[in-house]
Amino acid sequence: GESVGLHLPTLSVQEGDNSIINCAYSNSASDYFIWYKQESGKGPQFIIDIRSNMDKRQGQRVTVLLNKTVKHLSLQIAATQPGDSAVYFCAEPRSGGSYIPTFGRGTSLIVHP
Amino acid sequence: SQTIHQWPATLVQPVGSPLSLECTVEGTSNPNLYWYRQAAGRGLQLLFYSVGIGQISSEVPQNLSASRPQDRQFILSSKKLLLSDSGFYLCAWSGTGRLFFGEGSRLTVL
Repeated sequence: GESVGLHLPTLSVQEGDNSIINCAYSNSASDYFIWYKQESGKGPQFIIDIRSNMDKRQGQRVTVLLNKTVKHLSLQIAATQPGDSAVYFCAEPRSGGSYIPTFGRGTSLIVHP
Repeated sequence: SQTIHQWPATLVQPVGSPLSLECTVEGTSNPNLYWYRQAAGRGLQLLFYSVGIGQISSEVPQNLSASRPQDRQFILSSKKLLLSDSGFYLCAWSGTGRLFFGEGSRLTVL
């Protein structure tokens, strides 16, 4: 079946550095991707999304890049802050046209002051 | 604005006891509702979803059940808890493809 996987389970960075979190997806028909941030003990929260007709989308300090050729998604966080420490999930809709998202295992981002 | 409430936030239950987790959504009508479980340090596993009152789809065979007695109410239940039911349970509703999660219920089965 389809899956959403992450390359790095843990990423440690220094405050002020830029962070890049990667995600591989397997369903080439996916047309919508979302990044979520989950702080410790809380539910995930939407960060940013991107549709397959785009290669890049920018938000406040975050950028998502989509490479459909290699089925790769990345989340870039500029000037990482301690408050960015969390687990980050990428998600894609399940195959079959449903918008029920499939989540990867997640990447834990640790920001050192 | 839409809000989602989930309770209880934390509970410790003995093996074999029943379970009831509740979730309500406000500010929207006929939402798609979801129950996810998250084991420590793991990803999100979809347990159930519902597209309407009384309509429940189960994703994995397990010791749990779900019900949707009202449009904006979603309940996760078990008649007899197992140790393996321990985890962080998250309720969510979806709008425009995005999921909006509750704050979660942490269940420890002893």
